[in-house]
Amino acid sequence: KAGVTQTPRYLIKTRGQQVTLSCSPISGHRSVSWYQQTPGQGLQFLFEYFSETQRNKGNFPGRFSGRQFSNSRSEMNVSTLELGDSALYLCASSLDGYWTYEQYFGPGTRLTVT
Amino acid sequence: GESVGLHLPTLSVQEGDNSIINCAYSNSASDYFIWYKQESGKGPQFIIDIRSNMDKRQGQRVTVLLNKTVKHLSLQIAATQPGDSAVYFCAEKNTGNQFYFGTGTSLTVIP
Repeated sequence: KAGVTQTPRYLIKTRGQQVTLSCSPISGHRSVSWYQQTPGQGLQFLFEYFSETQRNKGNFPGRFSGRQFSNSRSEMNVSTLELGDSALYLCASSLDGYWTYEQYFGPGTRLTVT
Repeated sequence: GESVGLHLPTLSVQEGDNSIINCAYSNSASDYFIWYKQESGKGPQFIIDIRSNMDKRQGQRVTVLLNKTVKHLSLQIAATQPGDSAVYFCAEKNTGNQFYFGTGTSLTVIP
């Protein structure tokens, strides 16, 4: 079974631009979560989508948004990029079973804002 | 909000020894905890989980201990191997189904 894939793997953008990152979950997984990982803050939860609906949201500004498609693929968008948005963006999918919340992470997209 | 901290940012152990990585959490209502391993250039990988109604759970060479009284979580790795070198994260799930991660402990195994 293929794992979680994220594209692109690396991205360099200029401050003020916008960016869209893509995530394809494991087949059959309907929950997709996004995290930002930085050396100082660790992994921080951005949002979670389930069946095309945002189910949970972390404490990030409105510049960070996402969506999920009917095939469970998800995208996240960051508008008006700031230098502090430079980070590894991780996507995780889960089966969303009753007894387990195990998340499978993709390799991440490394975003550098200059 | 939740705060998940790790007692040591780095840990070095001799190959074959046991490793213990600790984690403190702040939300007594958290009901589920996970340990992840992250190798360089990769996303976090699930190691083991534990529900709040348990004190201990064992996997292959790994054991997670949960002390709800002091809100402490630990990961024990038996017979540590060079392939265990990585950053280890604990994560707690709150009742809103959000996960909060610690900043990680970097484990180095000395051959």
